[in-house]
Amino acid sequence: NAGVTQTPKFQVLKTGQSMTLQCAQDMNHEYMSWYRQDPGMGLRLIHYSVGAGITDQGEVPNGYNVSRSTTEDFPLRLLSAAPSQTSVYFCASSYSGDRTNEKLFFGSGTQLSVL
Amino acid sequence: AQTVTQSQPEMSVQEAETVTLSCTYDTSESDYYLFWYKQPPSRQMILVIRQEAYKQQNATENRFSVNFQKAAKSFSLKISDSQLGDAAMYFCPPPNTDKLIFGTGTRLQVFP
Repeated sequence: NAGVTQTPKFQVLKTGQSMTLQCAQDMNHEYMSWYRQDPGMGLRLIHYSVGAGITDQGEVPNGYNVSRSTTEDFPLRLLSAAPSQTSVYFCASSYSGDRTNEKLFFGSGTQLSVL
Repeated sequence: AQTVTQSQPEMSVQEAETVTLSCTYDTSESDYYLFWYKQPPSRQMILVIRQEAYKQQNATENRFSVNFQKAAKSFSLKISDSQLGDAAMYFCPPPNTDKLIFGTGTRLQVFP
């Protein structure tokens, strides 16, 4: 049981490049989400999903796309990276769609630098 | 909108001493859950403790306990016998939010 797995752990991009941050969980969790963490800003929600085929926007969705074709995977896509997207990205999941009363399981984060 | 206030951006404590981190929140619901999460320097966010609002008894997990005052909408975290490994960012997300949002948290330093 690996929990929430994020890959890669570190990534450097040039402005305008695209990439996908991977997130997978093996706990059969319905809810998955992506956060970014910047110094002094706490964690800000980018996108979330309450089940396969269902996604919604968080606080800061611009510049990011997501899809949820399976329960296990929730990739985050940067179509055209910008320096403002330099951040640490976290994926999190919880058992059911009612995430307000359930523990969130977090991945170990991806440090992304956009030059 | 559901909000939370962690009024102490930074706190420090001596090893083996006790420290309390404050959290006040706003909600119009009567039944909800409250959480404290910890993020050590390793970046891995982990759950510290959970409180169910309908339970009057304060939650405890080993050296961690809460002081939950529902009427005052206060949910403070008490760490007893502080250890160096308790040094971390601590987050208290607001309850009953469709979009679970973490604020800027409280940074706890532990001195030997």
